[in-house]
Amino acid sequence: ILNVEQSPQSLHVQEGDSTNFTCSFPSSNFYALHWYRWETAKSPEALFVMTLNGDEKKKGRISATLNTKEGYSYLYIKGSQPEDSATYLCAHNAGNNRKLIWGLGTSLAVNP
Amino acid sequence: DVKVTQSSRYLVKRTGEKVFLECVQDMDHENMFWYRQDPGLGLRLIYFSYDVKMKEKGDIPEGYSVSREKKERFSLILESASTNQTSMYLCASTPGALNTEAFFGQGTRLTVV
Repeated sequence: ILNVEQSPQSLHVQEGDSTNFTCSFPSSNFYALHWYRWETAKSPEALFVMTLNGDEKKKGRISATLNTKEGYSYLYIKGSQPEDSATYLCAHNAGNNRKLIWGLGTSLAVNP
Repeated sequence: DVKVTQSSRYLVKRTGEKVFLECVQDMDHENMFWYRQDPGLGLRLIYFSYDVKMKEKGDIPEGYSVSREKKERFSLILESASTNQTSMYLCASTPGALNTEAFFGQGTRLTVV
């Protein structure tokens, strides 16, 4: 099993703060890196799927970067809002099978 | 919009019962997955299927089986429920390649008493 690690495990920020999380994954046999947001009592929802080294993707105040050579991805949230409170999951696919390997997530709490 | 629907949101079953968790997706996705999520352990893959009647074991298949008789439906079966199978169960589906997003059902919180 290839390990995917996320840090920090949890984070508390004030409304308006900008923040970022890290996802580390094995750099060999890279195929795709996924980011999901999982709000309490809801289903995980995809934020980004990234496949190319150097990829940068943006959705509103949330953006992500990808470095496949060194095996990490950053997720950035600009001007955090209480509705951003959720667990952020990343998942890696090595391309040699159809499985996603999941990190344990970063739990974000944004205080108003 | 893609929809993945799980048959129950909450379920309480007795030890030893046979339990069926159903998942249906409406976008003709090839791949379907069953995960369980427990505090501190993240999403763990139980079984997945990449085609009708095809199945592959995930990381924690013991005590579970699956059935995929139709492309849109993937069932998880607990042959004899035990208390350590109390968990949140999530179904997901994806198109053929994993460079596209996965879509999740709403989850089934199963309690085995």
